[in-house]
Amino acid sequence: DTEVTQTPKHLVMGMTNKKSLKCEQHMGHRAMYWYKQKAKKPPELMFVYSYEKLSINESVPSRFSPECPNSSLLNLHLHALQPEDSALYLCASSHGGPRVRAGTEAFFGQGTRLTVV
Amino acid sequence: AQKVTQAQTEISVVEKEDVTLDCVYETRDTTYYLFWYKQPPSGELVFLIRRNSFDEQNEISGRYSWNFQKSTSSFNFTITASQVVDSAVYFCALSDSGGYQKVTFGTGTKLQVIP
Repeated sequence: DTEVTQTPKHLVMGMTNKKSLKCEQHMGHRAMYWYKQKAKKPPELMFVYSYEKLSINESVPSRFSPECPNSSLLNLHLHALQPEDSALYLCASSHGGPRVRAGTEAFFGQGTRLTVV
Repeated sequence: AQKVTQAQTEISVVEKEDVTLDCVYETRDTTYYLFWYKQPPSGELVFLIRRNSFDEQNEISGRYSWNFQKSTSSFNFTITASQVVDSAVYFCALSDSGGYQKVTFGTGTKLQVIP
């Protein structure tokens, strides 16, 4: 099973709302990622978790708060977002060791299309 | 700094034609990894291939083939006898040998295969 599942597929939220994006994988991967992708642009890395610990935060604003409750789940909590945060949010996972093995391909979910109004 | 350039923004071909997607990369690392991903309209990025910097062998997988040339820092992707299902955005990506998976994506090439 090489599947990464993201919910919801679509989300519309107001600027004062609090919502969460969820990601789940059952491939035994120990590295999980959040990417943001604007239309006609490549994905941009936001966060990397390795063994449930935050390893990389690419200077993401604090209105995005990641959480990794266990090795299979990754959440992205959203609060007080701006319209420019509207994008496709992609979750991915890959094999990992004590540190994520270099050159390991990532498997992506279908993403959550977020619209902030 | 790493950089991946996909100069072709959009390509249109008629079904059954061959098409080559270009990828040129820049890195100071001697050990690095190159990838191709496909992103259909559904949004999911589908992994196609990984190549490390020490392996310059070309690879063929069905209708897909990849040409890796370190001398020109290129990792081109050819689809033979294209099909409508090949219509998607294709990303070339690069990661270094660091301990964490930081991938630099190119800007993508949108391929449209016309029936």
